[in-house]
Amino acid sequence: DVKVTQSSRYLVKRTGEKVFLECVQDMDHENMFWYRQDPGLGLRLIYFSYDVKMKEKGDIPEGYSVSREKKERFSLILESASTNQTSMYLCASSRLSGGTGLNTEAFFGQGTRLTVV
Amino acid sequence: EDKVVQSPLSLVVHEGDTVTLNCSYEVTNFRSLLWYKQEKKAPTFLFMLTSSGIEKKSGRLSSILDKKELSSILNITATQTGDSAIYLCAVVPGTYKYIFGTGTRLKVLA
Repeated sequence: DVKVTQSSRYLVKRTGEKVFLECVQDMDHENMFWYRQDPGLGLRLIYFSYDVKMKEKGDIPEGYSVSREKKERFSLILESASTNQTSMYLCASSRLSGGTGLNTEAFFGQGTRLTVV
Repeated sequence: EDKVVQSPLSLVVHEGDTVTLNCSYEVTNFRSLLWYKQEKKAPTFLFMLTSSGIEKKSGRLSSILDKKELSSILNITATQTGDSAIYLCAVVPGTYKYIFGTGTRLKVLA
């Protein structure tokens, strides 16, 4: 079975702390994504990666960075956590279909609910 | 700017009702549209629609893509309480990204 695993379900951190959110997928997917989900705003893309060591900014990258040193692992880093980063964070992965070149469906992790106090 | 809009934002129905959820989009280089169901955890994939596959059906759920109107609908017939969830629509413009709408929150009352 396809699996995307996020390291924590719930996290509480203090303002100013450096926070690491880890995501691992076991499907050998090329593409990995970090989204945050807030009520009324839906899922907003923070960063994505289409290959090891490659990263692209999404729509709301400010205050975040990412790391992809291995194909299966994609880390989201909050350099200095702030209260407005309190949110649900969702990691996802996908692959490109060899035949069509289309992105297939994305598979999501269970989410990390981060509270910054 | 690429945009995906879902309506209604929320919906309350009774078991047995039929519901229609809407998704409209404005994107450059449309490749595909996906529907997801999200309960209290990770979104789970329902359907993917493309230019070559504009209609999908699975049990009581069905979806149609209207490329002319730049929209899609998700139909759920004979709703059950287990259908209560947030339904997300996403569009793939180009190769990599998924652009999500805000979702429709469906509540089915017994």
